Formats: sequence, C-alpha cells, structure tokens
Amino acid sequence: GAGVSQSPRYKVAKRGQDVALRCDPISGHVSLFWYQQALGQGPEFLTYFQNEAQLDKSGLPSDRFFAERPEGSVSTLKIQRTQQEDSAVYLCASSSQGGGNQPQHFGDGTRLSIL
Amino acid sequence: GENVEQHPSTLSVQEGDSAVIKCTYSDSASNYFPWYKQELGKGPQLIIDIRSNVGEKKDQRIAVTLNKTAKHFSLHITETQPEDSAVYFCAAVAGGTSYGKLTFGQGTILTVHP
Repeated sequence: GAGVSQSPRYKVAKRGQDVALRCDPISGHVSLFWYQQALGQGPEFLTYFQNEAQLDKSGLPSDRFFAERPEGSVSTLKIQRTQQEDSAVYLCASSSQGGGNQPQHFGDGTRLSIL
Repeated sequence: GENVEQHPSTLSVQEGDSAVIKCTYSDSASNYFPWYKQELGKGPQLIIDIRSNVGEKKDQRIAVTLNKTAKHFSLHITETQPEDSAVYFCAAVAGGTSYGKLTFGQGTILTVHP
C-alpha cells in the first residue's frame, strides 16, 4: 500500500487480557517506530526498529509491553495482562532510512480501550 | 532528554487570517523539527519540516522558522481555510539519537471560522 497500515483500528479488551497490534510500514522503509498517544496529548515514543533489530525500547512503560519485527517489515506490539492505563491510541510510523532527520510517516493508529 | 513546549494550546481565527504556533526545545543538539497535522480519528500527517542548518522553509501557505540560538521554532499558516482546522503538533529529534526518536509538543487545536 501507499502508506502505513495499522490493524485493528479499534480494539476493546477486558482488563487482564493480552492484545496484539499490527503495523505494516511503507514498503522498503528501514526504520519503524511505535508511539503511544493518550487522549489530548502528543504521541510519546515507545520503541524503535532498524530492519529487524530493536535498537531502542526505552519508552516501553513496563515489561508487559513487547514489540517485534522478525523479518524487518511487519511489526507487532503486544501488551500482556492489560490494565486500564493502557487505554490509548497506539501509532506506528516508518521512515525510509535510519538517519535522525528523515521524515516519519504515521499510520492512523489502533485505539485501544481496556474495560 | 529532549523537552518540547508548545503554545498556544488552542487558537481560533477567522478564515483568511494568519495563524502562528510556537515551540521551544531544550536540547541544543537537536537537529530536525517536523510539524504534524492530526485530524480526528487519523494519524499525524507531516506537513513541513526543517533541519538545523536552515533558518526558514516555506511551502505554499505554510512556513516554518527556526531560531537555534533561542531554541525555538514556529509554524506560520497564511490565508487560513476551514479545512486547516485540526490539531497541530511540533516535534524535535534529540541530538543524542542517531535514528530520529521524536519528542512531541502538547498540541494546538486550531479552529478556522468561515
């Protein structure tokens, strides 16, 4: 596709359930980012992949959060034992190269609601 | 780490007027400053960016200025139209990261009245 695709667009889960969020970056993009956006706030960095390597996971809130990109393309963000504070929009972005001044293109996000 | 402050939090203008949004950053080594427009239910859309070796950049009705000494940058939208109404975010890439980790401002809700 032409842009970053995320699925599902909406996810409702009960507290304690595990969820998996998918990101399809722009084809050929080396860099992939996950951000978390709380209501009324700017996105906050979670983790970064360069190809299949996870080079920075400093923004992951807890060890319940796990991300992978095994083949350097599609990425999955998994949240185990979800809590109400995990409710947010999870955004994925990709950029063509690994440099620090390359434009990042965002998907429309997955809105996660934990009941 | 990097800290980005953005103001105003809300901005209301009449169609045809100009709108200015300002951001400050804390890391003097920051070198890349994108601006994003986010509509309801959508992801942030890159509208313009500027790198630290440039003081100003313009694209049709949108311009961005950067003052490295003062560590602030601004978005200027001229001849505003109702479809410009959205939330706008500034962001900065901290100089210490080589791969582009973005720190965002808190956002500005821009409303353009017809």
